[in-house]
Amino acid sequence: DAKTTQPTSMDCAEGRAANLPCNHSTISGNEYVYWYRQIHSQGPQYIIHGLKNNETNEMASLIITEDRKSSTLILPHATLRDTAVYYCIVIANAGNMLTFGGGTRLMVKP
Amino acid sequence: DVKVTQSSRYLVKRTGEKVFLECVQDMDHENMFWYRQDPGLGLRLIYFSYDVKMKEKGDIPEGYSVSREKKERFSLILESASTNQTSMYLCASSSRNEQFFGPGTRLTVL
Repeated sequence: DAKTTQPTSMDCAEGRAANLPCNHSTISGNEYVYWYRQIHSQGPQYIIHGLKNNETNEMASLIITEDRKSSTLILPHATLRDTAVYYCIVIANAGNMLTFGGGTRLMVKP
Repeated sequence: DVKVTQSSRYLVKRTGEKVFLECVQDMDHENMFWYRQDPGLGLRLIYFSYDVKMKEKGDIPEGYSVSREKKERFSLILESASTNQTSMYLCASSSRNEQFFGPGTRLTVL
């Protein structure tokens, strides 16, 4: 599975959009971009995934660049409950084992 | 609503005790996983199972065993708990496109 690079931490004001970047320059053609988040002392929670088209669901939007070497997770109106560590992973089949790196610690501030 | 449940959120055991961590999923998934998560080390796979009575070692199986007698239940067993097994234990089950995690069990071995 391709390696990903994310900033260690980010701050966001409550109510504003949170844009979390992820670099995955070695992504293969059959690999998806997945985002999970982990709120303190809880299990990881699936957010969204995509292959090459932009995706949106009730939680977030995922923007993938045309060359697929990077992506951005967008939380359109961040709330305090969105404070968590966000993990970007690249994997061909999410049914297999997952490997989380350090992720981005997002702090949403009032 | 999909669910992965774990038998305990917090557990304190003594060195040498036998410890059972239970995981149950209600999504009829074939794939189930046990991970441990430690600060600075990310998520590490202990064991996984692709079917009833089937088990495969992950990256760090030493000191652990598992049992999958029924499709919905995957148990992690610490035969003789040691202090270096103090950790957050996460169970997950997966479809092809998504891995669902339980809330985690924080185990402390004294």
